[in-house]
Amino acid sequence: DQQVKQNSPSLSVQEGRISILNCDYTNSMFDYFLWYKKYPAEGPTFLISISSIKDKNEDGRFTVFLNKSAKHLSLHIVPSQPGDSAVYFCAASGAGGTSYGKLTFGQGTILTVHP
Amino acid sequence: DSGVTQTPKHLITATGQRVTLRCSPRSGDLSVYWYQQSLDQGLQFLIQYYNGEERAKGNILERFSAQQFPDLHSELNLSSLELGDSALYFCASSDRQGAGEQYFGPGTRLTVT
Repeated sequence: DQQVKQNSPSLSVQEGRISILNCDYTNSMFDYFLWYKKYPAEGPTFLISISSIKDKNEDGRFTVFLNKSAKHLSLHIVPSQPGDSAVYFCAASGAGGTSYGKLTFGQGTILTVHP
Repeated sequence: DSGVTQTPKHLITATGQRVTLRCSPRSGDLSVYWYQQSLDQGLQFLIQYYNGEERAKGNILERFSAQQFPDLHSELNLSSLELGDSALYFCASSDRQGAGEQYFGPGTRLTVT
């Protein structure tokens, strides 16, 4: 049972335009969400996070939106740059109990930004 | 550079063997996490340690074990290796027990032949 889903395996965008990556989750206990970027042969790099008490968090070109009622979050990258080309993972973390800091990851979306 | 180091980068071994993967967390981080990334399963949580104590466990096989030492480095031991254990193994660290940003190392690529 996949609790975090990224339904788009890939996304292609022109340089300078907006990239929108989507993520859905099923577990209502998740209360902290993160986006990671990953290049081949490297570990995931933390990009941005959002707590369930917020609906938006912004950091430079990156904005994450959270819609709790729809159990949906999205990452907006504006403007997109060729260096943003990578695999993007959505991850979720639950509230205490026995899960502590465990991250549950989506399957990833390959973003390609064309010059 | 995340500040998390992992050794070795690559490991090739035969079925039935035992290997140890090592991780040093970022300076000051007390939590260490281990994740496995295989082609068909994506990134899967294995186990978390916080200040030397086990905190959370995922679908970690009984053939796998981990520990965190007093200097906070961690080791993941994989024994009776099978072909299906071939994967990338990532270590991550954070400064808290619960939810928060985790910083990942470069990974160890394990190939079991």
